[in-house]
Amino acid sequence: NAGVTQTPKFRILKIGQSMTLQCAQDMNHNYMYWYRQDPGMGLKLIYYSVGAGITDKGEVPNGYNVSRSTTEDFPLRLELAAPSQTSVYFCASSQDINRGRQPQHFGDGTRLSIL
Amino acid sequence: EDKVVQSPLSLVVHEGDTVTLNCSYEVTNFRSLLWYKQEKKAPTFLFMLTSSGIEKKSGRLSSILDKKELFSILNITATQTGDSAVYLCAVVSGTYKYIFGTGTRLKVLA
Repeated sequence: NAGVTQTPKFRILKIGQSMTLQCAQDMNHNYMYWYRQDPGMGLKLIYYSVGAGITDKGEVPNGYNVSRSTTEDFPLRLELAAPSQTSVYFCASSQDINRGRQPQHFGDGTRLSIL
Repeated sequence: EDKVVQSPLSLVVHEGDTVTLNCSYEVTNFRSLLWYKQEKKAPTFLFMLTSSGIEKKSGRLSSILDKKELFSILNITATQTGDSAVYLCAVVSGTYKYIFGTGTRLKVLA
């Protein structure tokens, strides 16, 4: 059981380039999330999805886009990379925590540097 | 606006000391409060608290929630160097919204 898988683990981009961070989960979770974590800081929510075909903005969505065409996959797209997007990105998934299920499962993260 | 505040921001102790980490929150539609430990990679789950006054324990770690005063504490007794990490508090609002604090960075010196 792989859980939440993120690729790539590391990436260096030049300013203005674009890329997609991949996230896949095999637990049939409805809810998926993208967070960024800057050095010494907590997790800030970028986007989330409550099911296939449904996405919504978190607290820091500018410069990013997402899609959720299947339950398993939730890719995060950076269209015009900027130095301010240098961060560690975490994908997570969960089911309804109020039904006694486990809280969010996290991927191992993608460390992204924009130079 | 929902918010979760952790204190202190960082802490340095010696092995064997006891530490208390704090988490206060102002969140609508509170469902549960979670504690995570984060070392090099992704946060790992420690505790989930939903009811006031019930202490959760796992070895040297314990946590309690006060829903009236809107805070939780995480205690670590007899600290070890392996406890060095960032400890994150998160509050679940509704079915799926997680609000994270900025974390407390704990360093335990040998």
